[in-house]
Order: sequence, then C-alpha cells, then structure tokens
Amino acid sequence: QVQLVDSGGGVVKPGGSLRLSCEASGFMFSDYYMGWIRQSPGKGLQWISYISLNGRSIFYTDSVKGRFFVSRDNGKKSLFLHMNSLRAEDTATYYCVRMTNGCFDYWGQGNLVTVSS
Amino acid sequence: QSALTQPPSASGSPAQSVTISCAGTSSDVGGYNYVSWYQQHPGKVPKLLIYEVDKRPSGVPDRFSGSRSGTTASLTVSGLQPEDEADYYCCSYSGRTNFYVFGTGTRLTVL
Repeated sequence: QVQLVDSGGGVVKPGGSLRLSCEASGFMFSDYYMGWIRQSPGKGLQWISYISLNGRSIFYTDSVKGRFFVSRDNGKKSLFLHMNSLRAEDTATYYCVRMTNGCFDYWGQGNLVTVSS
Repeated sequence: QSALTQPPSASGSPAQSVTISCAGTSSDVGGYNYVSWYQQHPGKVPKLLIYEVDKRPSGVPDRFSGSRSGTTASLTVSGLQPEDEADYYCCSYSGRTNFYVFGTGTRLTVL
C-alpha cells in the first residue's frame, strides 16, 4: 500500500536550518509529482511547494521562496525539504504529499518543526 | 496568494445534510477543474474526500459529494453521522501562478 514516512523535524533557533525527508513506498515514486504542505498549530493548511517528476520544475509559495528548497531522489524514492533562515512563523507540522489529478491523494504522518530561541 | 473563503463553522443533526461553500476566483476555483476537499479529524492527518470538483476516491462514502457554480465550490455531506464531525478544507489549483491555495477551513459539528 502507499506509504509516505516523514522524518527530520525538531526544534531549531530562528535563522537556523533544517532538512525534512520523506520516504515513499508502495507506488512508482518517479511517476508522481510530490509536494509539501504545512499546518501551523491550531491553524489551517498551507501549500508550500511541489516538484515535477524529474525535479526540474519546482514551485514555492511566496512566503518561503528563496529560503526553502525542495529536491527529490527518484532512485531512493525520497523527497526532501531544505529549510533555511527559519522564522517563528515557520513553526508548523509539515506533511509530505503525493500529487495526482490536481490534488493531494496521500499524506505522510507529518513532522513538527518548532522555531524558537 | 489569498486563501479561498469558507465559513468558519457548520452544523447539522444526524441524518441531515449540510453544505460547505468555498469561494474563489476565476483564476482558481472558477477556472480549473482541480478543486479538491479534505477532511481532518483533530490530531489526525488530512484525508482526500473529493478531487476534480466532484469525483470521489475509492473508499469515500457517497454521502460526500462535490459541486461547483461559477467561482464557488461546495461540499455536501448527506445523512450526517457523528464521525463526520471534523474540519474540512477545500483546495484549488491557481493557474495564473501554478500554485495551489487552500480554503480557510470549516469546522463541522454534528449536533
């Protein structure tokens, strides 16, 4: 069955960096766009980014552009979110998602990232 | 990017029907068929309910249905059950920017 396993969350100081990983199984990873979605504590969902099949096209929401970078390794069936210059407002649970038919059909379990001094 | 507009709350009694709206623009909800809906129970991972405006993934009960009129999408939950109490989010592709935008979310209470 389709599984997305998120890892890499934790506590980081403002201005710091963190890398989230997502390991996929149960489907042909290289056949799907993948993305990241976050949810601040007690708040709604926010789309962050998505990456094309070969990783050559990547889109970011404005609030993370230039600070966050997404990559994928199709051989290792893995998706990554590199987060730099982290701010308090980046505190959230980050979900790895599989994309198809213009929606997010499978979600990882989520990783909490806390930005605090 | 501005979030799509949903009512903060909705409610209904068991067996009743409730409809949740999702207002967008011609650049997102009204312009593309990539409108989807998600259900999220407290502390849980969101789950896809509806995609491409009105399609249901396998395993989603047919009590959940989606529709669209102009720039507003809607999710209807028929035959309300206690387990339907959750937060619901709409989402749309925005072709002008190649982005995705979520709705503000609606908390559904089953009375």
